[in-house]
Amino acid sequence: RKEVEQDPGPFNVPEGATVAFNCTYSNSASQSFFWYRQDCRKEPKLLMSVYSSGNEDGRFTAQLNRASQYISLLIRDSKLSDSATYLCVVGRRGGGNKLTFGTGTQLKVEL
Amino acid sequence: DAGVTQSPTHLIKTRGQQVTLRCSPKSGHDTVSWYQQALGQGPQFIFQYYEEEERQRGNFPDRFSGHQFPNYSSELNVNALLLGDSALYLCASSLVRGADTEAFFGQGTRLTVV
Repeated sequence: RKEVEQDPGPFNVPEGATVAFNCTYSNSASQSFFWYRQDCRKEPKLLMSVYSSGNEDGRFTAQLNRASQYISLLIRDSKLSDSATYLCVVGRRGGGNKLTFGTGTQLKVEL
Repeated sequence: DAGVTQSPTHLIKTRGQQVTLRCSPKSGHDTVSWYQQALGQGPQFIFQYYEEEERQRGNFPDRFSGHQFPNYSSELNVNALLLGDSALYLCASSLVRGADTEAFFGQGTRLTVV
């Protein structure tokens, strides 16, 4: 079983749609959680950290359920520019230590 | 303020050869981690360097080795290259301690083994 599991997609959605990505992790010792965005042939970039209380950044909402070892990302009012691969990432301590990535979920937002 | 820089950006090598990839971390960062990303996969952790020592290692064979220099820059060496080593190699820099917990990635080195 992979340490971080995601549905690879692709998710094809119309502009303006709401889309949700889910992720599960197997290591209960994981202490930090993130969503990274990766555009085609580019490096991953931090989209947002994920906290147990849930956090929101504009159109993006992330949630963490430690009991279920489950992480989610909700994107509201999708834009064409949101098209990318979204990587679910967990770490054991802080953001700078070893990060374990899911395979990524590909999102395509269409007109 | 330069971010993470990697060189070269692209590289083609023959099976059995050796390769060295280079990374300069973001200014002020002291930790460098290396990742391998195969096509269609998420990045896989190779190892991490801090204070010029390998601190953590992922599930990669000894053919993969590295080094960190006093200026925090780092090299990744891969010996006896296999076709399966073809991938995007990413370097990430961060701080071991401090409030800045984000890992910043370089643009990567795309290695093709033929």
